[in-house]
Amino acid sequence: GENVEQHPSTLSVQEGDSAVIKCTYSDSASNYFPWYKQELGKRPQLIIDIRSNVGEKKDQRIAVTLNKTAKHFSLHITETQPEDSAVYFCAELGGGADGLTFGKGTHLIIQP
Amino acid sequence: KAGVTQTPRYLIKTRGQQVTLSCSPISGHRSVSWYQQTPGQGLQFLFEYFSETQRNKGNFPGRFSGRQFSNSRSEMNVSTLELGDSALYLCASSFGWETEAFFGQGTRLTVV
Repeated sequence: GENVEQHPSTLSVQEGDSAVIKCTYSDSASNYFPWYKQELGKRPQLIIDIRSNVGEKKDQRIAVTLNKTAKHFSLHITETQPEDSAVYFCAELGGGADGLTFGKGTHLIIQP
Repeated sequence: KAGVTQTPRYLIKTRGQQVTLSCSPISGHRSVSWYQQTPGQGLQFLFEYFSETQRNKGNFPGRFSGRQFSNSRSEMNVSTLELGDSALYLCASSFGWETEAFFGQGTRLTVV
């Protein structure tokens, strides 16, 4: 728990280009890091997650990297498509008792 | 497999009233967490229940309370509503603490 910083707050990329969203956290006991996608008016949906014993995880066009020493993790989306437009939230689950701590979100805009 | 169901979808209440929101988790999930989502504060953790016991609690006043029933369905209650309680309230169910959390569609509460 504690604090999660997410950058940028808005990201506009050309269709087909890559998008990278970064998050930093402060709780050294954090060990679970999910990423959620939320389309306008819809529920957040898990798109990928990573645990502290893994440095990188990939699922088709989406990948997440984790650097535990530096306490940051990133979401990478390659070959972006219009349907990737949404708000993306990073989150972490720490050693405390405060549930998932979310970043403030990144509004990803895919320009045609 | 049915997803997480929240009722009602929309609510309008007057300041000072109380409100009860309901969440039915995915079958087999015993953990239910509640979150408040607002444009200014983002997604904030309220509390988490597991097997009818509140395991974790976020930094919200005592006006926010909840409970879980033996069938894992959960309710949250907000008493003495304030204008600032207007938000989207999301519940999420998961099999355990560090496993994928599935969100419901949320209850949009408006306090007037």
